[in-house]
Amino acid sequence: GESVGLHLPTLSVQEGDNSIINCAYSNSASDYFIWYKQESGKGPQFIIDIRSNMDKRQGQRVTVLLNKTVKHLSLQIAATQPGDSAVYFCADFSGTYKYIFGTGTRLKVLA
Amino acid sequence: DTEVTQTPKHLVMGMTNKKSLKCEQHMGHRAMYWYKQKAKKPPELMFVYSYEKLSINESVPSRFSPECPNSSLLNLHLHALQPEDSALYLCASSRASGVEQFFGPGTRLTVL
Repeated sequence: GESVGLHLPTLSVQEGDNSIINCAYSNSASDYFIWYKQESGKGPQFIIDIRSNMDKRQGQRVTVLLNKTVKHLSLQIAATQPGDSAVYFCADFSGTYKYIFGTGTRLKVLA
Repeated sequence: DTEVTQTPKHLVMGMTNKKSLKCEQHMGHRAMYWYKQKAKKPPELMFVYSYEKLSINESVPSRFSPECPNSSLLNLHLHALQPEDSALYLCASSRASGVEQFFGPGTRLTVL
């Protein structure tokens, strides 16, 4: 979903379940797509990136999927843990240092 | 050392004040960035320095003045700010050819 005003889309997930966070992008010319995690009171932290010529990339407990046909990006977190609670942002990078962040999603992990 | 440090953590200033935000990294990164982040919003790119030269200025008002004295330091000079400039100001760095940015914890700025 897209945030309106002061509202952040929120995803609530039971601890141990898998989480899927979605993002729509508009710039077809982006070279990379990146996921960041921002915990309360901290700066964003890089999670994983995917080059625009790929459709899937896996990291430790995370998988990013890229669907260029519908301009959609998703982040899957396996076995979600309380420490995963944060706001997640997607960003696109179109070279020459230009990063554009999408609206975030708040992930709440329920014990 | 994979840390970006920012000082101060919090800053309260009046509209007639002049203040500066500081950012430092010792990762040898040659690109450094300033972002502005309002509550519950994504970071917005303000400025980018590449090899100590201003590379991107995203039409930021002149009351914000960036400076990159050397490859490790980045400053943001503030003058005659408005209350709507109150936000979290984030500094980041990256390798010149890299995708991954390293962010500092930010300076929480309040303009009265």
